[in-house]
Amino acid sequence: NAGVTQTPKFQVLKTGQSMTLQCAQDMNHNSMYWYRQDPGMGLRLIYYSASEGTTDKGEVPNGYNVSRLNKREFSLRLESAAPSQTSVYFCASSEELDRSSSYNSPLHFGNGTRLTVT
Amino acid sequence: AQSVTQLDSHVSVSEGTPVLLRCNYSSSYSPSLFWYVQHPNKGLQLLLKYTSAATLVKGINGFEAEFKKSETSFHLTKPSAHMSDAAEYFCVAANFGNEKLTFGTGTRLTIIP
Repeated sequence: NAGVTQTPKFQVLKTGQSMTLQCAQDMNHNSMYWYRQDPGMGLRLIYYSASEGTTDKGEVPNGYNVSRLNKREFSLRLESAAPSQTSVYFCASSEELDRSSSYNSPLHFGNGTRLTVT
Repeated sequence: AQSVTQLDSHVSVSEGTPVLLRCNYSSSYSPSLFWYVQHPNKGLQLLLKYTSAATLVKGINGFEAEFKKSETSFHLTKPSAHMSDAAEYFCVAANFGNEKLTFGTGTRLTIIP
């Protein structure tokens, strides 16, 4: 059972280059998320998809776009990379987004993509 | 607004001694609370979750956490540390949807042989 799979694991880009980070989950989850992790800042939400066919901005969406290709796949695109986008990117999924206060289904994370922009 | 504060950025304990990782939260509503663990070069893995059913929550690998509303705390404990527990630990609060998760800044746990 693979869970959440991210590709690539590592990437180095020059400023201005573009790339797409791929994410796929095999748990039949409805909701998927993209986070970035920077030292001392915890994880910050870039974009999320509550269900197939929907996407919404998170806390730090500028410079990124996403596509929910189908229920399994959720990709993150950097159109013109900047050094400030050097980070570790994590994709995650959950059964539901759960907008009730009584329960939130936990997130399942991929192993991350380490991106350096020079 | 919701916030999570992990009181220690780094904790070191000797193998076989107790572990205490501290987390305080601030929320207008009664949140769901989680602890996640991140081993080097890996994603975050759920350790345990609190969703108001019981104040003492047991998780994987011998970890547990106690929700104390009066202290707005959700500290993570383990009676006896193993070398494999060396990792970074994140306290997370959730209210009204996973898109509003609030992550603490993490506590790095080092185990001394």
